[in-house]
Amino acid sequence: DIQMTQSPSSVSASVGDRVTITCRASHGISSWLAWYQQKPGKAPELLIYRASSLQSGVPPRFSGNGSGTDFTLTISSLQPEDFATYYCQQANSFPVTFGQGTRLEIK
Amino acid sequence: QVQLVESGGGVVQPGRSLRLSCVASGLTFINYDVHWVRRAPGKGLEWVATMSFGGSEKYYTDSVKGRFTISRDNSKSTLYLQMNSLRAEDTAVYYCAKILANGQYYFDSWGQGTLVTVSS
Repeated sequence: DIQMTQSPSSVSASVGDRVTITCRASHGISSWLAWYQQKPGKAPELLIYRASSLQSGVPPRFSGNGSGTDFTLTISSLQPEDFATYYCQQANSFPVTFGQGTRLEIK
Repeated sequence: QVQLVESGGGVVQPGRSLRLSCVASGLTFINYDVHWVRRAPGKGLEWVATMSFGGSEKYYTDSVKGRFTISRDNSKSTLYLQMNSLRAEDTAVYYCAKILANGQYYFDSWGQGTLVTVSS
């Protein structure tokens, strides 16, 4: 199975800050990577797919980058509604696997 | 608009069974793979199972092989997860999730989840 490792596990930031979360795959996955946002008590929401494609309806302050084994999710200017947990997921092979999550908290 | 609605969760003793259902609307169900994904308390997301839209192929994560069975009724736009021999570590919120497009295993629509608690 392909292991996905996110860093940091948690980060504190303020409204307006720029934040970057990283995700590393244990094997190369080309651009088969997605990012999700999950808020407490809610289902995950797809933000980015194919490493850098913005899902319909997602604000452009979210962006994704990377290929192979190293990927990033950047939020250019944090808004209050962005404080949540973020997960990466590889879609290269079964079983699809997720990172352990990055909790984004208000400073 | 795509909507997925799970049901069937609850509290069950170890070793017992539950069947989860996921009813889909707003899409041509037979055209899509739909998956089960779970999140255990205090843990991250874990993919559980899927089957092809034609039903010929089924895939499971290792920890549920031999205990869980996925099935679908395309005439009812419904996906099922039969969970037998439940263990405490199966306690989680179970989501059904639809993929973005065939061959692209990104989950663009999710249900609200149904909570399964395995406890004596």
